Amino acid sequence: SQQGEEDPQALSIQEGENATMNCSYKTSINNLQWYRQNSGRGLVHLILIRSNEREKHSGRLRVTLDTSKKSSSLLITASRAADTASYFCATDAGVDMRFGAGTRLTVKP
Amino acid sequence: KAGVTQTPRYLIKTRGQQVTLSCSPISGHRSVSWYQQTPGQGLQFLFEYFSETQRNKGNFPGRFSGRQFSNSRSEMNVSTLELGDSALYLCASSFFDSNTGELFFGEGSRLTVL
Repeated sequence: SQQGEEDPQALSIQEGENATMNCSYKTSINNLQWYRQNSGRGLVHLILIRSNEREKHSGRLRVTLDTSKKSSSLLITASRAADTASYFCATDAGVDMRFGAGTRLTVKP
Repeated sequence: KAGVTQTPRYLIKTRGQQVTLSCSPISGHRSVSWYQQTPGQGLQFLFEYFSETQRNKGNFPGRFSGRQFSNSRSEMNVSTLELGDSALYLCASSFFDSNTGELFFGEGSRLTVL
């Protein structure tokens, strides 16, 4: 079963705009990760945030984690057409990593 | 350093047949996890192997099985294929247990069941 749920399911923006995706999960976690998937390809790890962290940055990516609300957000700043992909959050469901349904991001040039 | 390699990349089977998919993890990684991805169900966890032992199993019928060899390479098998087994099967490796760090994914094996 899936642990996380991303919101929105789909997002379409113009190049240069910021994109924000949200993830909610159900049970306590040790860490939360975000992955990107280009159409029909494997997933690529973007960033990992641990339960004792509130915010983390990596290049144009900013991730926040609110364990009291069991939610996380991924912000991509100054988006590019190459950022077009599906984005998934993954949480450790105690023993293994479980993924949400993903947000499909389209960045129009 | 070579990435995670999955073979075959594409395959077509008919209902009732069986299929074996292979995954070679990154050198030194001891954990291999398998996921099934479909448009309707998203990414569903199948199972994880760590040092040749099945560490956890998802909610899939017994037709889905796997194993891991001493060199950490893993195989998964699906017997008596059904139309609903058509999916992208993804394998991911990690050095530690799958829930403690980054997962490295292969490009997947796309299975079509006719």
